[in-house]
Amino acid sequence: GAGVSQSPSNKVTEKGKDVELRCDPISGHTALYWYRQSLGQGLEFLIYFQGNSAPDKSGLPSDRFSAERTGGSVSTLTIQRTQQEDSAVYLCASRWTSGGTDTQYFGPGTRLTVL
Amino acid sequence: DQQVKQNSPSLSVQEGRISILNCDYTNSMFDYFLWYKKYPAEGPTFLISISSIKDKNEDGRFTVFLNKSAKHLSLHIVPSQPGDSAVYFCAALSGAGSYQLTFGKGTKLSVIP
Repeated sequence: GAGVSQSPSNKVTEKGKDVELRCDPISGHTALYWYRQSLGQGLEFLIYFQGNSAPDKSGLPSDRFSAERTGGSVSTLTIQRTQQEDSAVYLCASRWTSGGTDTQYFGPGTRLTVL
Repeated sequence: DQQVKQNSPSLSVQEGRISILNCDYTNSMFDYFLWYKKYPAEGPTFLISISSIKDKNEDGRFTVFLNKSAKHLSLHIVPSQPGDSAVYFCAALSGAGSYQLTFGKGTKLSVIP
């Protein structure tokens, strides 16, 4: 596809349930990020994948959060036992670096609401 | 502690006038800065960037200025258009090969026709 896609666009779940959020990056982009944006906040880094290297998970807020990237392409962010404070927009981005320019391309996000 | 600060949560400007969005940072290791624009229900889109070896970068109506000594950058939009109404995020990278963007909280720009 032409851009980064994410699904679902909206997810409403009950507290304690598990959710999976999906990201399809731009073809050919080897780097993939997950961010989240809570109400009134900037984008918060969660996790970073680069090629076959071990992911940087330093931004994951708790062990209820995990992510994987299969075949160096599609990524899934999983939140187990969701809490109300997990409600946010979860954004995925893939990264292109060329000629000194470093650009991340974002998907439209998944709005997660935990009731 | 916020390393990238956008102290104005919102800004209103008349169409045709200049919009100036400000961003301050505290981490002296930041050496590459980006501005992103975000419409409701969409992901942020890259707008313009600047390396710390420069103090100005211009792209059409958009110009970013960097003052390293003040740890301050600004985005100028001239002339402002109603379609520029969006939330603008300032972001920074530190060091060669770094990949983790640090974002500000954003400034909501409203351009009034």
